[in-house]
Amino acid sequence: QQQVKQSPQSLIVQKGGISIINCAYENTAFDYFPWYQQFPGKGPALLIAIRPDVSEKKEGRFTISFNKSAKQFSLHIMDSQPGDSATYFCAVVSNFGNEKLTFGTGTRLTIIP
Amino acid sequence: EAGVVQSPRYKIIEKKQPVAFWCNPISGHNTLYWYRQNLGQGPELLIRYENEEAVDDSQLPKDRFSAERLKGVDSTLKIQPAELGDSAVYLCASSPGGQGATYEQFFGPGTRLTVL
Repeated sequence: QQQVKQSPQSLIVQKGGISIINCAYENTAFDYFPWYQQFPGKGPALLIAIRPDVSEKKEGRFTISFNKSAKQFSLHIMDSQPGDSATYFCAVVSNFGNEKLTFGTGTRLTIIP
Repeated sequence: EAGVVQSPRYKIIEKKQPVAFWCNPISGHNTLYWYRQNLGQGPELLIRYENEEAVDDSQLPKDRFSAERLKGVDSTLKIQPAELGDSAVYLCASSPGGQGATYEQFFGPGTRLTVL
């Protein structure tokens, strides 16, 4: 049962450009929508998260856009830098009943000079 | 502040052998998670502990996997016997716990298991 669909699978962006990663979910009973960043050999680390009652959240160069009616949310990385090269996972969280963090399949982002 | 500690970092075993992974969560974190991450995929939850109680083990293959969290701190995940399909990275994570804190999970570096 795949509850989160993430695209694209891989993405190459030039330095200074905008990186955009999209996720779509299938269930309305979610409370948080976090994005995790994972570097090779490391565990995922929380990057930014949004609640469903907010349409956009910005932290530095990272922005989440959330469309509740379309059941979609996206991560935008402005002024992308080589240090942003990593794998990004969207996730959904339900705090009702069985609390669970469900990850998307990941996007491997490469920033080229 | 020390992060989540896992050991070993790498393990290579032959199929049908047993293997164990150890996790030390961030001090004070009551909730501990074990995930499995297959190559090119997102982590998938195996088991969640609230203190020493396993509150969600619905995704744990109980015929060969077992876990324990003694005294509500460190945890061990065991596979016996291992199968070829168990090759993956096993991640441990912890969180402070409490309503609304589930997404604030702090992950360790993982143990990369290779079953030959």
